[in-house]
Amino acid sequence: KAGVTQTPRYLIKTRGQQVTLSCSPISGHRSVSWYQQTPGQGLQFLFEYFSETQRNKGNFPGRFSGRQFSNSRSEMNVSTLELGDSALYLCASSYGLYTDTQYFGPGTRLTVL
Amino acid sequence: GENVEQHPSTLSVQEGDSAVIKCTYSDSASNYFPWYKQELGKGPQLIIDIRSNVGEKKDQRIAVTLNKTAKHFSLHITETQPEDSAVYFCAASTVTGGGNKLTFGTGTQLKVEL
Repeated sequence: KAGVTQTPRYLIKTRGQQVTLSCSPISGHRSVSWYQQTPGQGLQFLFEYFSETQRNKGNFPGRFSGRQFSNSRSEMNVSTLELGDSALYLCASSYGLYTDTQYFGPGTRLTVL
Repeated sequence: GENVEQHPSTLSVQEGDSAVIKCTYSDSASNYFPWYKQELGKGPQLIIDIRSNVGEKKDQRIAVTLNKTAKHFSLHITETQPEDSAVYFCAASTVTGGGNKLTFGTGTQLKVEL
């Protein structure tokens, strides 16, 4: 069974631009979570989607948003990029909700110049 | 909210020795505790997990123990090998509010020396 895939793997943007990252979960998984990983803040939860609905949201500004499609694929969007948004963005999928096991993708490395 | 502390931040062991990484959590409602291994340039890989109704779980050279009373859990790796070198993260999750939100520790850089 194929794992979680994320595209693109690397991205370079400039301040003020916006970016969209994509995540395809493991086949059959209905929950997708997003995390930001930086050397200073570590791994931080952004949000989670299940059946096209946002179920949980972390403590990030409104510039960070996401959505989930009927096939469980998910996208996250960051608008008005700031230098501090440079990070590895990780997507994780799980079969259901409520502390179900999460499997991570390889991440998208975003660099903001 | 939940807070997870992880120690040590770096750990160096000789090949064949055991390695122990410890984590504490703050929310007594947390009931799921996974451990992830992250190699350079890759996403975190689940290596073992434990739920709050179990005190210990073992998978070959890897074991996890959970003390709910003290709110701490530990990862034990025996007979370490060079390929065990990576960053290890503990995490905690609670069903409160629903969903799959994981709160991570700050990571432990494990180096297994020949």
